[in-house]
Amino acid sequence: SYVLTQPPSVSVAPGQTARITCGGNNIGSKSVHWYQQKPGQAPVLVVYDNSGRPSGIPERFSGSNSGNTATLTISRVEAGNEADYYCQVWDSGSDHVVFGGGTKLTVL
Amino acid sequence: QVQLVESGGGVVQPGRSLRLSCAASGFTFSNYGMHWVRQAPGKGLEWVAVISSDGSNKYYADSVKGRFTISRDNSKNTLYLQMNSLRAEDTSMYYCARRYCSSGGRCYLDYWGQGTLVTVSS
Repeated sequence: SYVLTQPPSVSVAPGQTARITCGGNNIGSKSVHWYQQKPGQAPVLVVYDNSGRPSGIPERFSGSNSGNTATLTISRVEAGNEADYYCQVWDSGSDHVVFGGGTKLTVL
Repeated sequence: QVQLVESGGGVVQPGRSLRLSCAASGFTFSNYGMHWVRQAPGKGLEWVAVISSDGSNKYYADSVKGRFTISRDNSKNTLYLQMNSLRAEDTSMYYCARRYCSSGGRCYLDYWGQGTLVTVSS
């Protein structure tokens, strides 16, 4: 089955740029989606189709996908961006949704 | 606005059954596929199952296949998850989520409910 690998944690100072990676075999050929989950809350879609942004999501959130790595980029990070972030793809080989293990973003 | 409200969670003994429900509103339920996703305490997201808009196609995670059944009643705008032969490792928050597919056929989970907690314990 398809595996997505994320770093367990990323730390960044306020105002800086956070980059959260999601690794997978030839993931560049897939459509990657990203979800934000704050403590005690349900996940929220923040990026779809590699780089699309749902309405209501700030422009500071962006995504890219190439080769074996997809990246969620959060520019001008704020304290309110502290959360767990999950990447997700559809594995057509198994007809399964696959989530990455999640990355905890800490704002220093 | 889109609303998804899960119910039916609780404490259940190992080996017993439980049925979760997800009441949908604010959109035409019969036009969308739906997912169940779970999250064990302190752990990441784990996809459980998906059902097509008309209920004809269903797919399951290997961890629940043969024990869980996803279904829907479009006349009641409700999604279900029948969970049988429950195990301690099924203890999780269970979320329902809407499946949205773009014109290019790329699909993602665009709206999520707040979840219902299932605890499997003797």
